[in-house]
Amino acid sequence: GAVVSQHPSRVICKSGTSVKIECRSLDFQATTMFWYRQFPKQSLMLMATSNEGSKATYEQGVEKDKFLINHASLTLSTLTVTSAHPEDSSFYICSASPAPHNEQFFGPGTRLTVL
Amino acid sequence: GQQLNQSPQSMFIQEGEDVSMNCTSSSIFNTWLWYKQEPGEGPVLLIALYKAGELTSNGRLTAQFGITRKDSFLNISASIPSDVGIYFCAGQLLLRHPARQLTFGSGTQLTVLP
Repeated sequence: GAVVSQHPSRVICKSGTSVKIECRSLDFQATTMFWYRQFPKQSLMLMATSNEGSKATYEQGVEKDKFLINHASLTLSTLTVTSAHPEDSSFYICSASPAPHNEQFFGPGTRLTVL
Repeated sequence: GQQLNQSPQSMFIQEGEDVSMNCTSSSIFNTWLWYKQEPGEGPVLLIALYKAGELTSNGRLTAQFGITRKDSFLNISASIPSDVGIYFCAGQLLLRHPARQLTFGSGTQLTVLP
């Protein structure tokens, strides 16, 4: 149980294009999902907290207009990187918590490369 | 964002040796979690700790929630090659808004030599 999937696992795009990453909780409902970014040899940095049916809460320094988050249902959250640039290249990871538990279960991550 | 102080940053050990790593924070947490991450994958939860002083085991892994609620350690006994990876601690303060946010340590890269 508590499986989280992400799609795609890898994506390469040209600078200026937009990329959508999906995060799904496969066997539980998640009212809250989290999006992280991880640069090579670094820790996970929280980008935003995604709440089903409401606006996401972004961490300081994360541009909400660049990283669009939609939490359309209790099992799906999407992150869209708009007008991607090479500096956006990173490993993006989502997580979800099956209420009322507090543990976060992580997806396998999406490797984004912007050329 | 805020990070926990995790040490050591990296470890090279012989197969069969025991390993210990720890995390400290200037803030208290309600929950401490330990994750393992392998290259190109997301973190996998190893142990969750919910009470100050709690000592929990999961196979060869043992973790403790510090009595001050500001620290935690993870021990791995009799290491094997598949223990290789990056280990992260994470603290959770449930009263924070939004709830259930995690603050991650900087990670410990473990290499097990045969």
